Amino acid sequence: GNSVTQMEGPVTLSEEAFLTINCTYTATGYPSLFWYVQYPGEGLQLLLKATKADDKGSNKGFEATYRKETTSFHLEKGSVQVSDSAVYFCALYYNQGGKLIFGQGTELSVKP
Amino acid sequence: NAGVTQTPKFQVLKTGQSMTLQCAQDMNHNSMYWYRQDPGMGLRLIYYSASEGTTDKGEVPNGYNVSRLNKREFSLRLESAAPSQTSVYFCASRGDLVGHGYTFGSGTRLTVV
Repeated sequence: GNSVTQMEGPVTLSEEAFLTINCTYTATGYPSLFWYVQYPGEGLQLLLKATKADDKGSNKGFEATYRKETTSFHLEKGSVQVSDSAVYFCALYYNQGGKLIFGQGTELSVKP
Repeated sequence: NAGVTQTPKFQVLKTGQSMTLQCAQDMNHNSMYWYRQDPGMGLRLIYYSASEGTTDKGEVPNGYNVSRLNKREFSLRLESAAPSQTSVYFCASRGDLVGHGYTFGSGTRLTVV
C-alpha cells in the first residue's frame, strides 16, 4: 500500500545550522508530495509541494526535490532559525485514492 | 478570513457521553476530511467526503460517524466517547486541482475522562 516514512525526531539544532529531514515513500502510480509544518498549538500549514518527478518545491528557505528513482522527498534548509521550531510532516496524495497520507512527523527544535 | 473553521477548540467529556465536532469551509472545496493526531502516530484519517452527499471510511473509523450536511459543512460525531478517543482532531478541505494541498482547521483538543 501507499505509505510515508520520516526520520524520527526530535531533531535539535543550533541556529544557522543546516537542516535535513528525510522522507521516503511507497506509492503506486505518481503521487503528489507535500511538506506540512505545525507550530505549537496550531493546525498544519502547507510548506511546499511537488507534483511530478524532479520538481523542486520551495518556500521560506526550505526546499525539497521529488526523487522518483529513490522515492524520496527530503526537506532541507541552509540556515535554520529559532522560529523554525515546529513539527514537520511529509505527505503524499494520489488521485486514485483521493486521500492525503502522512508520515509520523519530525519535531525540530532550534536553539539560539 | 477564508479557511476551515472548527468548533469547539477544547472539550472534556465523560466516558459514554456524546458530542459533535463541527467543521465548515468557505473555499468551495468539494473534498473534506477528519483526522486525529496522537503523539508519535502522525495524523490518521477517520472519515472523508469526496463531495456533498458522500462519505467514506478512513484508517480509523470505529467509534465515529460523520455527516456532510452541505458543501460547506462536515461534522464528526462521537456517539459514546471512550478514553481512547482522547486526541486532537483536525478537519481539512481540498480543492480539485491536481497537486492542490489541504487546508486545515486549527483543531479540537478532546479529552475523555
